Amino acid sequence: GQNIDQPTEMTATEGAIVQINCTYQTSGFNGLFWYQQHAGEAPTFLSYNVLDGLEEKGRFSSFLSRSKGYSYLLLKELQMKDSASYLCAVRDRGSGGYNKLIFGAGTRLAVHP
Amino acid sequence: KAGVTQTPRYLIKTRGQQVTLSCSPISGHRSVSWYQQTPGQGLQFLFEYFSETQRNKGNFPGRFSGRQFSNSRSEMNVSTLELGDSALYLCASSLGAGPTYEQYFGPGTRLTVT
Repeated sequence: GQNIDQPTEMTATEGAIVQINCTYQTSGFNGLFWYQQHAGEAPTFLSYNVLDGLEEKGRFSSFLSRSKGYSYLLLKELQMKDSASYLCAVRDRGSGGYNKLIFGAGTRLAVHP
Repeated sequence: KAGVTQTPRYLIKTRGQQVTLSCSPISGHRSVSWYQQTPGQGLQFLFEYFSETQRNKGNFPGRFSGRQFSNSRSEMNVSTLELGDSALYLCASSLGAGPTYEQYFGPGTRLTVT
């Protein structure tokens, strides 16, 4: 089956570093995405990993280990505006051979002063 | 370049009615996917269209259907509405349908079923 797990809530302090973990089980893995979603808004793309290793993009980095079914999103120099939900999504090759995104429930991050 | 647009933004319907939601992708994007987002279930994949063909379908009952037009605009329809269909319906478009294509989300349609 397909399953994606990530913590429900996290809190962190402004200026600090936070790591949001995501574990997944899927039969046809074809890439992992991280999205940010502020309350009442649409998700926005943060990062994409398809090969093992770390992808860095400014204050955000994402890591993938395909053998462990594991990814994390690292946020550095936290700002108040980073308070949002962070969605881990796996692109899975469906039975028809085409890809679909399967989302985790999201991690709600609260950044406080 | 304009983003993904969805209409209407808010909708209130009664149980048993049907509803049609519309999505206009980013110009040049040919793939459109639909998702349902609820507090309890998170974002769940409904279906994906590419070049007017449904390429993938999630685990939703047949009351949920969709289509894509030649200009890549897409509609989804929910018939015989149930209270549990109350959700935010998100549409996402991408340039193509391959694994590396990033999906851009629209603002969503908030459907409330009473």
